Amino acid sequence: AQTVTQSQPEMSVQEAETVTLSCTYDTSESDYYLFWYKQPPSRQMILVIRQEAYKQQNATENRFSVNFQKAAKSFSLKISDSQLGDAAMYFCAYRSSHYGGSQGNLIFGKGTKLSVKP
Amino acid sequence: SQTIHQWPATLVQPVGSPLSLECTVEGTSNPNLYWYRQAAGRGLQLLFYSVGIGQISSEVPQNLSASRPQDRQFILSSKKLLLSDSGFYLCAWSPAGTAGNTIYFGEGSWLTVV
Repeated sequence: AQTVTQSQPEMSVQEAETVTLSCTYDTSESDYYLFWYKQPPSRQMILVIRQEAYKQQNATENRFSVNFQKAAKSFSLKISDSQLGDAAMYFCAYRSSHYGGSQGNLIFGKGTKLSVKP
Repeated sequence: SQTIHQWPATLVQPVGSPLSLECTVEGTSNPNLYWYRQAAGRGLQLLFYSVGIGQISSEVPQNLSASRPQDRQFILSSKKLLLSDSGFYLCAWSPAGTAGNTIYFGEGSWLTVV
């Protein structure tokens, strides 16, 4: 079974600085998808960025980028020029490419709480 | 563009009472629909998913049920709530077809069973 591990329960960053959130996963599959979701105090789960495992190029989305290391099964999120609105829980998630069975089964890590200091 | 709405946002219900959480998706057809529950300090656990009207799959045994009476409507229900049903419930959708499609979440519903 696949697992997702986020080893940093809490992180803190100064406004305008850069922070990296770590995520590792375990799978025997070669094709899959990885996501970072942000959950602000409102609790809505918001997609931050997505990475297809077959793509070598790291995904970027404005100030957010990932460092995807397939061999190491590592998927870290870098937030540049941190803003107060970035304060939230961040969840790393894995989804199999197999279609069928638990088609919605996003496997989540336990999350990292990010605080942004003004 | 596609939107997802979920209601009510907050619900306080006595033990043994029924439950109905509703979710609708706009701007797409034949979406995959999901109900997740989030325990305190944890990630999300998939409860139910649906690939079409009347097609419901359950991931975990529980006191809850789900129904999809229309293409873009997904309902989470219970006949008699338990204290352990308290939690944060999220409806979600993804485009039909290709595996690995991104899953988009609604605003969530806080359920407190007293």
